[in-house]
Amino acid sequence: EVQLLESGGGLVQPGGSLRLSCVASGVNFATYRMTWVRQAPGKGLEWVSLIGSGGTATYSADSLKGRFTISRDNSKNTLYLQMNSLRGEDTAIYYCAKELVSAPGTFDYWGQGTLVTVSS
Amino acid sequence: EIVLTQSPGTLSLSPGERATLSCRASQSVSSYLAWYQQKPGQAPRLLIYDASNRATGIPARFSGSGSGTDFTLTISSLEPEDFAVYYCQQHSDWPPITFGQGTRLEIK
Repeated sequence: EVQLLESGGGLVQPGGSLRLSCVASGVNFATYRMTWVRQAPGKGLEWVSLIGSGGTATYSADSLKGRFTISRDNSKNTLYLQMNSLRGEDTAIYYCAKELVSAPGTFDYWGQGTLVTVSS
Repeated sequence: EIVLTQSPGTLSLSPGERATLSCRASQSVSSYLAWYQQKPGQAPRLLIYDASNRATGIPARFSGSGSGTDFTLTISSLEPEDFAVYYCQQHSDWPPITFGQGTRLEIK
């Protein structure tokens, strides 16, 4: 059974940094592209970033303006999201998800999410 | 950036009724459209990909149709567990991957 488990969320002050992790199990992690999607309280889904299976190719939402960096460690079956210069509007649940290989750009397994709250 | 507009914002129906949810893209996405279901406190769940293909384990009462700019998710006969928020998502021209704003399906 595929499981994705996020961690690293919490309360951080504006301007601060946080690193999220997503550990995968039950899947050959190194063969799948992975993504981060966030959801502000009471709002819809917003794509954040995606990384290729090898970790070289990365794509991110322009709105993040380089503040967030996606990475992965295939030896640890772990996906990361480094978030810098955090703002109040970054407050959200952050989900990691695995890409469906037969339909690139869609995501068939999701973690339960980790809540990031940016507030003073 | 491709903008997805879902309608209606809220749909009120009774169990056993047929639900029809719409998603319109600001430009053609061919058939590269997915649908997700999200229940309160849960992660999204992939229902449909490539406009009309059901994801693994999704009941046959869920079906997707459309191409180009206009898409529909149909639930043929609503079960109590189907009341949730539904999002469409395009995977045609990205980045960015974009989602619709969601349709809330509520019990009438």
